[in-house]
Amino acid sequence: ETGVTQSPTHLIKTRGQQVTLRCSSQSGHNTVSWYQQALGQGPQFIFQYYREEENGRGNFPPRFSGLQFPNYSSELNVNALELDDSALYLCASSPGPGNTIYFGEGSWLTVV
Amino acid sequence: QQQVKQSPQSLIVQKGGISIINCAYENTAFDYFPWYQQFPGKGPALLIAIRPDVSEKKEGRFTISFNKSAKQFSLHIMDSQPGDSATYFCAASIVNSGSARQLTFGSGTQLTVLP
Repeated sequence: ETGVTQSPTHLIKTRGQQVTLRCSSQSGHNTVSWYQQALGQGPQFIFQYYREEENGRGNFPPRFSGLQFPNYSSELNVNALELDDSALYLCASSPGPGNTIYFGEGSWLTVV
Repeated sequence: QQQVKQSPQSLIVQKGGISIINCAYENTAFDYFPWYQQFPGKGPALLIAIRPDVSEKKEGRFTISFNKSAKQFSLHIMDSQPGDSATYFCAASIVNSGSARQLTFGSGTQLTVLP
């Protein structure tokens, strides 16, 4: 276990809706990254947050947004959900922005 | 430039055998190469990692071999056990302009170890 906790573990949303996923980082870790893992594929980098600011972003549209709070926990928000957004969303924390990351168990999102 | 190619897609090995998974990359700016193990319904767990200034790293039954000139690296699992049955992902990492460490993953190898 990495100490990275995510909620909810599973959820179903309708196309066009909005979703918020939450992540608590491992104790002592001040950096949070989010990845999307579609079924049968490797995870893809969405973005990273450090000191409550986004400091890196992958090839994802602006409807994917995030927040980091003073206690280093984080949220991933996805607006205008599309069917292709159905995936496992992984949160990972690290003791610094350039350090090794450790993944949580993920949140399974199904868009119908 | 950011792609990491992984093979084979699936691998079946007898208990006690050696499992070998290969990865190749293009971007020479990658500076850290981890392997992750993922069981069904779980998040990826860091298994072992290597930096490009080292040609080999061994931790228990797991060994990474790294060939910088060929831009290839591989995972060897010695004495494979049924409990090793999982999906394995190689990754290559870079620190981007915003100081974020970003992982680029391969497509995964589903390993089955037969008892």
